[in-house]
This record gives sequence, structure tokens and C-alpha cells, in this order.
Amino acid sequence: GNSVTQMEGPVTLSEEAFLTINCTYTATGYPSLFWYVQYPGEGLQLLLKATKADDKGSNKGFEATYRKETTSFHLEKGSVQVSDSAVYFCAPLDNQGGKLIFGQGTELSVKP
Amino acid sequence: DTEVTQTPKHLVMGMTNKKSLKCEQHMGHRAMYWYKQKAKKPPELMFVYSYEKLSINESVPSRFSPECPNSSLLNLHLHALQPEDSALYLCASSQDRYQGTGGNTIYFGEGSWLTVV
Repeated sequence: GNSVTQMEGPVTLSEEAFLTINCTYTATGYPSLFWYVQYPGEGLQLLLKATKADDKGSNKGFEATYRKETTSFHLEKGSVQVSDSAVYFCAPLDNQGGKLIFGQGTELSVKP
Repeated sequence: DTEVTQTPKHLVMGMTNKKSLKCEQHMGHRAMYWYKQKAKKPPELMFVYSYEKLSINESVPSRFSPECPNSSLLNLHLHALQPEDSALYLCASSQDRYQGTGGNTIYFGEGSWLTVV
């Protein structure tokens, strides 16, 4: 079945450090791929998405590229801020069922 | 506008109470979802409505009863809950459940924090 393997957290970085959160998936066909972010005490916000191979999603300085050959969608940011502290979820969309397949989530803590 | 509005934000209820969670979207979306999220875990799908009809029930206990009165509203009726049902309940919507690779993006609300005592 479909599944997602996401980098385990917590990840602790200093402000302005480079961030990579790895995400690989198994799925039938070519699903749309999403990153969601959940700030403390809040719901999920869409961070970025990519709908086909080699697409790059970007938002708020975050980027992720749809890599079909490696079935990966790694999240990157060149310089993190304290305000980026949150839990990040990688989630392919199962197009046949319309269901999001969530990874376990990666908690990011950015220190000043 | 990509807003999904949920009320109430916080709810405390006893095990014999009947309460409801409400969700509203005005994006013209025809698919709406309920998810349950426990602390430090990813959201788990509970129900999916497509064009106001229930299309997925992920084997959710009958003490949770969804309702979709119209294309903009989604309710979750709660009755005889257990303390282990305490969680964050997230509502979400998308343009169409079967839009496929064209970009069926699912948007979430802020959630309702439920505590069962």
C-alpha cells in the first residue's frame, strides 16, 4: 500500500542554519505531493505542493522538488528563523481514493 | 480565500453529553473531510463527504456521527464519548475528491480541541 517515510525529529537548529527534512514515499501512479506545517496549538497549513515530476513547490523560503526517480520530496530552507519552529508533515495524495497519506511528522525547533 | 472555519475552538464534555462540532467553507469546494489528531501524531482520516454524500467512513465508532447539511457545512455530532476520544478534530475541504493529479489541494481548518471528562 501507499506509505511515507519522513525524517525523524526533533530537529534542533540555530537561527539562519540550513534545513533539510527528508521525505520518501511509495505510491501507485504519480501522486500530488504536499508539505503541511502545524504551528503549536494550531491546525494544519498548506506550506507547498507539487503535482508532477520535476515540479518545484515553494513558499515562505521553503522549497521541495518532486523527484520521480527517487520517489522523494525533501523540504529545504536556506536560512531558518525562530518563527519556523513547528511540526512539518509530508503527505502524498492518493489520487484513486482522494486521501492524504501523512508521514509521522518532523518537529523543528529553531533557537536564537 | 482558502479559509475553513471550525467552531468551537475548545470543547469540554462529559461522557453522557451530546455536542456537535461545526465546519464551514465558502470556497465552493465539493469534498469535505473530518480528521482526528492525537498529540505528537499525524492526522487520521475519519470521514469524507463528496457532493454532500458520505463516501468514506474509516470504521469510525458510531458515537461519532457526521452530517453534511449543504455543500458549505459539515457537522460532527458527538455522543457518549470516552476519555480516549480527547483529541484535536480537524475539518478540511477540497475542490473535488477525484480531481486527480490536476491539483486537488486539501485545505484544513484550525481545529477543535475536544476534551472528554
